[in-house]
Amino acid sequence: GENVEQHPSTLSVQEGDSAVIKCTYSDSASNYFPWYKQELGKGPQLIIDIRSNVGEKKDQRIAVTLNKTAKHFSLHITETQPEDSAVYFCAASMDYSGYSTLTFGKGTMLLVSP
Amino acid sequence: GAGVSQSPSNKVTEKGKDVELRCDPISGHTALYWYRQRLGQGLEFLIYFQGNSAPDKSGLPSDRFSAERTGGSVSTLTIQRTQQEDSAVYLCASSSQTRSVNTEAFFGQGTRLTVV
Repeated sequence: GENVEQHPSTLSVQEGDSAVIKCTYSDSASNYFPWYKQELGKGPQLIIDIRSNVGEKKDQRIAVTLNKTAKHFSLHITETQPEDSAVYFCAASMDYSGYSTLTFGKGTMLLVSP
Repeated sequence: GAGVSQSPSNKVTEKGKDVELRCDPISGHTALYWYRQRLGQGLEFLIYFQGNSAPDKSGLPSDRFSAERTGGSVSTLTIQRTQQEDSAVYLCASSSQTRSVNTEAFFGQGTRLTVV
């Protein structure tokens, strides 16, 4: 089955700096790559996603890049703010015959210091 | 509300007791996932339901764990003879994925299970 590796496990930055979280996946059939943000005591919430036919996607301060050949994708957060502090999860998913998996990385705890 | 609803939000049970965790997905969502999240850990896949297809139970850790989804809507995760290592947050998610297109999975707030 699919295996998703995520790095780093923790990341501390100063407010205003950029943060980058990287993930690799094992199954070349995966074609959908969402990123989730989980705040303390809450369920994960989708912040951005990318499909395999696209190399990069941006949404304000957040961007995701995908390299299908290398089987890795990254989350980039620019101009970080204290409210960005949370745990971030990457995931990989594939579709076939109406069945879909959703495999998550182990998460990155991002701490943005004022 | 229109989101995924899980109940109870917290459950404390004695070792050896059975527990039932409930998930009400977003109306019309055909896909439903259960995940387990131990303290400070990632999301561990348990089971996946998609429409009327047979569920993917490959993530269930032991035969003490089972899940049902009645009428393609509400799902119940049952843990029999609970053990202390079952203590975790159990998260449910649903999505409107079709046969060939993935869409956003919406998560509930989770049920925090503590086995004492």
